[in-house]
Amino acid sequence: QVQLQQWGAGLLKPSETLSLTCTVFGGSLSGYYWTWIRQPPGKGLEWIGEINHRGTTNYNPSLKSRVTLSIDTSKTQFSLSLSSVTAADTAVYYCARGGARPLDSWGQGTLVTVSS
Amino acid sequence: DIQMTQSPSSLSASVGDRVTITCQASQGLDKYLNWFQQKPGRAPKLLISDASKLEAGVPSRFSGSGFGTDFTFIISSLEPEDIATYYCQQYDRPPRTFGQGTHVEI
Repeated sequence: QVQLQQWGAGLLKPSETLSLTCTVFGGSLSGYYWTWIRQPPGKGLEWIGEINHRGTTNYNPSLKSRVTLSIDTSKTQFSLSLSSVTAADTAVYYCARGGARPLDSWGQGTLVTVSS
Repeated sequence: DIQMTQSPSSLSASVGDRVTITCQASQGLDKYLNWFQQKPGRAPKLLISDASKLEAGVPSRFSGSGFGTDFTFIISSLEPEDIATYYCQQYDRPPRTFGQGTHVEI
């Protein structure tokens, strides 16, 4: 059973760059898209984007100008970078396996707070 | 982008009740719709994929149906542990959008 473990800074100042990494245990990155989703406090789920093992990406148009996804197959890791954060980017961020397939495995979530 | 309209946004039901949630897509999805359950402080859990395929280990009181633009999620007999928020999500094409969620309470 694949497991996803994510980590990254939990407190940022406005204009800084959010960086999160997700490590995949128990499986390779091949054959799947790897996805980032976020959830502002008390609100619903927002799809951020996805990347496959070849580095092919799809982004949410509302975030595309600030988001970069990357992947390191040798470390079975994939990462999210979100630039120029504001308070509106405060959310729990999740990584997950799937994309064109169902999101069947999720990381534990990371609360990222943007505050001056 | 495909818009997902989920309803109701919340509902209150009793143990044993039948609960129905609907999700309407702004464009046809074929069968590419997921249903997730999320409990407070937890990551969402995949319950149903391909609109009607129950994931392994998920109780049979949960079911899904639909094709194209109209989808339905049913809990046939509500249990106390089903208190959660439920989300639909289309994965036909990116951006792979979610519905707004339905909070189910007793």
